[in-house]
Amino acid sequence: GQNIDQPTEMTATEGAIVQINCTYQTSGFNGLFWYQQHAGEAPTFLSYNVLDGLEEKGRFSSFLSRSKGYSYLLLKELQMKDSASYLCAVRDRRGYQKVTFGTGTKLQVIP
Amino acid sequence: DVKVTQSSRYLVKRTGEKVFLECVQDMDHENMFWYRQDPGLGLRLIYFSYDVKMKEKGDIPEGYSVSREKKERFSLILESASTNQTSMYLCASHPDRGVAETQYFGPGTRLLVL
Repeated sequence: GQNIDQPTEMTATEGAIVQINCTYQTSGFNGLFWYQQHAGEAPTFLSYNVLDGLEEKGRFSSFLSRSKGYSYLLLKELQMKDSASYLCAVRDRRGYQKVTFGTGTKLQVIP
Repeated sequence: DVKVTQSSRYLVKRTGEKVFLECVQDMDHENMFWYRQDPGLGLRLIYFSYDVKMKEKGDIPEGYSVSREKKERFSLILESASTNQTSMYLCASHPDRGVAETQYFGPGTRLLVL
């Protein structure tokens, strides 16, 4: 089985940097995803990590440490539109199409 | 662009009714998924299908069934709706190729069971 933990809520200021952490305990591992979900909408893909290290995509970066069962999503130059929930999801090696989602971190960006 | 559509955005049903939620994807993806999303519980997998007529239970299949008669369509069935099935239902699809491929989500159906 999988256990994925994320903070429930975070608040950050427009223009600042925020780091959203995700820890996981899994019987297998075949990649970790980050999704963004605005209220009332479907999740949209942000990033994918399968090897240790940092992946950067514009204002968003994602880091993975497999030995520690740990990932973070880093958002730079925060904008008001970044207010959303951020979901961490882990793919189980046993069936690679299937992923397990964390409960999500609701980020509020304030002026 | 991948497009995943769901038959309704909002649905109101009565306890005991049979409910059909339809999902269609247009990218020839092999895998399709049904999730429900509830506050504080996140996205939980109900059922998934990796091929036509094939299905596997997810983490919370009780009270649900599914049908995949055609590759592009995956239906979720609530045989006898109950109030605890009030939720947001999300469908997703995923190709077999490419481990790094993400799941593509539909817009969701918000179901209220009275």
